[in-house]
Amino acid sequence: NAGVTQTPKFQVLKTGQSMTLQCAQDMNHNSMYWYRQDPGMGLRLIYYSASEGTTDKGEVPNGYNVSRLNKREFSLRLESAAPSQTSVYFCASSEAISGGWAQYFGPGTRLLVL
Amino acid sequence: KNQVEQSPQSLIILEGKNCTLQCNYTVSPFSNLRWYKQDTGRGPVSLTIMTFSENTKSNGRYTATLDADTKQSSLHITASQLSDSASYICVVAPGSGYALNFGKGTSLLVTP
Repeated sequence: NAGVTQTPKFQVLKTGQSMTLQCAQDMNHNSMYWYRQDPGMGLRLIYYSASEGTTDKGEVPNGYNVSRLNKREFSLRLESAAPSQTSVYFCASSEAISGGWAQYFGPGTRLLVL
Repeated sequence: KNQVEQSPQSLIILEGKNCTLQCNYTVSPFSNLRWYKQDTGRGPVSLTIMTFSENTKSNGRYTATLDADTKQSSLHITASQLSDSASYICVVAPGSGYALNFGKGTSLLVTP
């Protein structure tokens, strides 16, 4: 099992350009998430998808859109990138366990917007 | 206001020594508390997960404790190794919903 995979690993964009971050999981999890991680701050939830066909906004959704393509894939799109979106983006999926649910994170995508 | 506060922000210890990281939270109600290890350039990896009714949980040299009354948790690392150098993140899951509350992490450096 590859777990959670993300592409690309690194990306440099110019302000105003668009791009899509890809995420896939092979653990048959229903729920998937997109987070961003900035220096000196905890991970912040951008969007999540509780199950195939549903998506919901998290704490910082502005400037992003998502698509839950199927159970495996959850993509994050930046329509018009801004320097404030320079960050490390993590995708995660989760499964229910005793006492809650466990999240599994991908390796991250490092995005620089100039 | 961040509902999960971790201390210290950073820590340097000698290989073989023990250390304890702290996490205070205000999330209420909460369903579980997790500790993650994040190596540089990698995604977080779960170390322990405890429900509100559990006091302690171990994973090898890592032992997490939870005091739900005082809303405090700690992560104790025994006989530290160079590979323990990483950021350790405390995460509190609320009683309902999908939005986890992440601490900013403690950056641990283990030196030879």
